[in-house]
Parts: sequence; structure tokens; C-alpha cells
Amino acid sequence: AQKVTQAQTEISVVEKEDVTLDCVYETRDTTYYLFWYKQPPSGELVFLIRRNSFDEQNEISGRYSWNFQKSTSSFNFTITASQVVDSAVYFCALSERNSGGSNYKLTFGKGTLLTVNP
Amino acid sequence: DTEVTQTPKHLVMGMTNKKSLKCEQHMGHRAMYWYKQKAKKPPELMFVYSYEKLSINESVPSRFSPECPNSSLLNLHLHALQPEDSALYLCASSAGTTMNTEAFFGQGTRLTVV
Repeated sequence: AQKVTQAQTEISVVEKEDVTLDCVYETRDTTYYLFWYKQPPSGELVFLIRRNSFDEQNEISGRYSWNFQKSTSSFNFTITASQVVDSAVYFCALSERNSGGSNYKLTFGKGTLLTVNP
Repeated sequence: DTEVTQTPKHLVMGMTNKKSLKCEQHMGHRAMYWYKQKAKKPPELMFVYSYEKLSINESVPSRFSPECPNSSLLNLHLHALQPEDSALYLCASSAGTTMNTEAFFGQGTRLTVV
């Protein structure tokens, strides 16, 4: 079975601190996609990034950066100079084939609640 | 327009009621999804529609009945629900059902069953 583990249930930081959210995944597929989503208190999940299994380049987008390491099956997310507006639940997800093999679905980790205090 | 719109935002219903949740997207996406999310838990997939046809039903009880009237609309009909069905119901859409397509989510409907 494919699995996504986010070991950090809750993280609390002070504004301007850097914070890294960990994600470890398990899959037997050689081709797969990993995602990060942000869920603010309003409820909707906001897509942040998609990464395929063949692209191990790190990515930076403003204050956000992602470190994908296939050797350790990890896809970690770092927020630099955190802000109060970054407070949310962050989900890592793996795209997997459903049991019938004809479609794909997202398997989410349990999420990490990030609280950024002023 | 990258929005997925869900109505209503909040719903309280009795166990004998019949209600419907609605979802709409105008991004031309051909895949639409219903997820259920309990408090402090990740979203759990319920149904997937691909090109207006039901392609995945994750063994959801029949008291939840999905419907896709056209490529922009997705409904979830609710009947004889139980209090444990109280949750946030999220609708999502994506350009396709291949593994590399990101899903866009609505804000959800917070359902309380009394």
C-alpha cells in the first residue's frame, strides 16, 4: 500500500523564523507525483506544488522551497521568514493508481498544523 | 477563473432530511471529486467523476448519492444521514484523472447532522 507520513502533527514558530515541514512517502510505482497543499482555516485546499518522480531538482518559489530526495523518499517543504498568514494545515500527498488500475487518486498525509505567532 | 464554488457553505440537517450539496467549476475540467474531511484528519476520497461518468466510488454508503448533470456541475445528494457523517465535504476538479494533474478545491460545505 502506498503511504504518506507527516510525522510533525503541530509546529509553532515565531514570525520570521524558518520552518521545515517533513514528508516521507512509500510507493512501489516508479512513476509517481507528489504534491503539497495548504489548508487555511477557511477550509479550501490550496495547491502549492507538484513534483514528478523523475525530477529531483529542488524548487524555490518566493519564501517557499521544496527538497525532493528520492534516496530517502522524502519531499520536505521549507518556509523562509515565516509570516502569520502562513498559519494553516499543510498536507503532503502522493498520486496513486486506484485499486481498479484505471484512475489515479491523491493519498494525503495526516497534515501538519503550522502556527506562526507574531 | 480558477474557482471551484460549493454551496451551501454550512448545512445542518436532521437524520430524516434529504438535502443536496452543489459544486460548480468553469475551468473546463473533465474530472470532479467529492472528498470528506473529519476534524483534524486529511481529506478522504469518496467519488470521482471523469467525463461526467462515475469512475471511482470508494465504497461510500448509499445514503450518499453523487450526480454529475454536466461537465461543470457536481451534486451530492444526502438522505438518512447519521451524526457521524458530520464533516467538511470538499469538492475538487482537475483537468484530467492522470496522476500529474493537480486538483483545485472548493471551500467546502460544513455539514452537521443532528
